Amino acid sequence: DQQVKQNSPSLSVQEGRISILNCDYTNSMFDYFLWYKKYPAEGPTFLISISSIKDKNEDGRFTVFLNKSAKHLSLHIVPSQPGDSAVYFCAARAYDKVIFGPGTSLSVIP
Amino acid sequence: DAGVTQSPTHLIKTRGQQVTLRCSPKSGHDTVSWYQQALGQGPQFIFQYYEEEERQRGNFPDRFSGHQFPNYSSELNVNALLLGDSALYLCASSLFLDRAGNTIYFGEGSWLTVV
Repeated sequence: DQQVKQNSPSLSVQEGRISILNCDYTNSMFDYFLWYKKYPAEGPTFLISISSIKDKNEDGRFTVFLNKSAKHLSLHIVPSQPGDSAVYFCAARAYDKVIFGPGTSLSVIP
Repeated sequence: DAGVTQSPTHLIKTRGQQVTLRCSPKSGHDTVSWYQQALGQGPQFIFQYYEEEERQRGNFPDRFSGHQFPNYSSELNVNALLLGDSALYLCASSLFLDRAGNTIYFGEGSWLTVV
């Protein structure tokens, strides 16, 4: 039973445009949602998080939106840069356990 | 300040053998979690150690066991290896009291191939 879903395995975006990565979850007990970025041959690195009591968190080019009623969150990257090309994992935290989605591979085309 | 270090980086084992993977957490961190990442999938939570005790466990069989030492470093042991255990094993360190998840740092992982 996959509690965190990322239904788009891959996404291609032109440099300078907006990248929108989507994530759905099933467990209402999650209290924090996190986004991680992973380059090949490296471990995932933390990008941004949002508490379940918020609906938006912004950090520079990265904004995460949370819609609790729809159990949906999204990561917006504006403007997208070639260096953003990586696999992005959506993750959710409950009782000190972090559950990851399968990831979305983002390619930013120069 | 060293981040999370894992060893070995790559190893090949034969089906039925046993393997031990090691992790040193980031300086100042007290909690270690282990994840298995199969090809094309997201990291799957195996278990978490804090104060030398297993605090949380994912849906993994008892063949997967661990240990945390007084210096917060940790080992992951897998017995009776199966071909399906071939994966990247990631260690993540954090502060137990961190609620936002901002302090979770991952190592580069140990690639295990079972033949």
